[in-house]
Amino acid sequence: DTGVSQDPRHKITKRGQNVTFRCDPISEHNRLYWYRQTLGQGPEFLTYFQNEAQLEKSRLLSDRFSAERPKGSFSTLEIQRTEQGDSAMYLCASSAPLAGRTDTQYFGPGTRLTVL
Amino acid sequence: DAKTTQPNSMESNEEEPVHLPCNHSTISGTDYIHWYRQLPSQGPEYVIHGLTSNVNNRMASLAIAEDRKSSTLILHRATLRDAAVYYCILRDSDNYGQNFVFGPGTRLSVLP
Repeated sequence: DTGVSQDPRHKITKRGQNVTFRCDPISEHNRLYWYRQTLGQGPEFLTYFQNEAQLEKSRLLSDRFSAERPKGSFSTLEIQRTEQGDSAMYLCASSAPLAGRTDTQYFGPGTRLTVL
Repeated sequence: DAKTTQPNSMESNEEEPVHLPCNHSTISGTDYIHWYRQLPSQGPEYVIHGLTSNVNNRMASLAIAEDRKSSTLILHRATLRDAAVYYCILRDSDNYGQNFVFGPGTRLSVLP
């Protein structure tokens, strides 16, 4: 399967702990996106990368959140000092947009985070 | 990106066609109409997209009104596996490569 993969699929942690999620995009997709989704809502944008450069960050991405894509391939999303409000599904997507044309984003299965 | 309006929920019987509406009265000339769906406990999945003409693929058909202010996603024969939340999203071709803006979508229930 050459789709977007995410690891782990589920994570349970205690408040105050740090957690890190990994996303492996479709190979040769230069754009990588992170979204967060809470129950009953559509996904909300967090940040995205063009290759290794982080081009945009949402206001949802507080100082406790950091994302990297060091070699322009896989990406990690770290949450420090987790809070119960961080409990959500974290989704990763990738795409290969072409100038002047619309693009299709391919999503991974998500990482469900539960903060106790 | 312009806003879309969808019903919160819809029901269909298995093996019957389903028409999922989306209103986008403020659509601009360069906005593409995208449909994604999200099955329970999965990430969103691309369904179809179009600009002006109706589109067909193996999953669904997209019917776009002549004035482009509304569109309809058509599932020709609903199956239980089509039960999902369906999102209609507008995407300006000038904003290629940027994030999608998801609304709450339409929750489709398929009855056996």
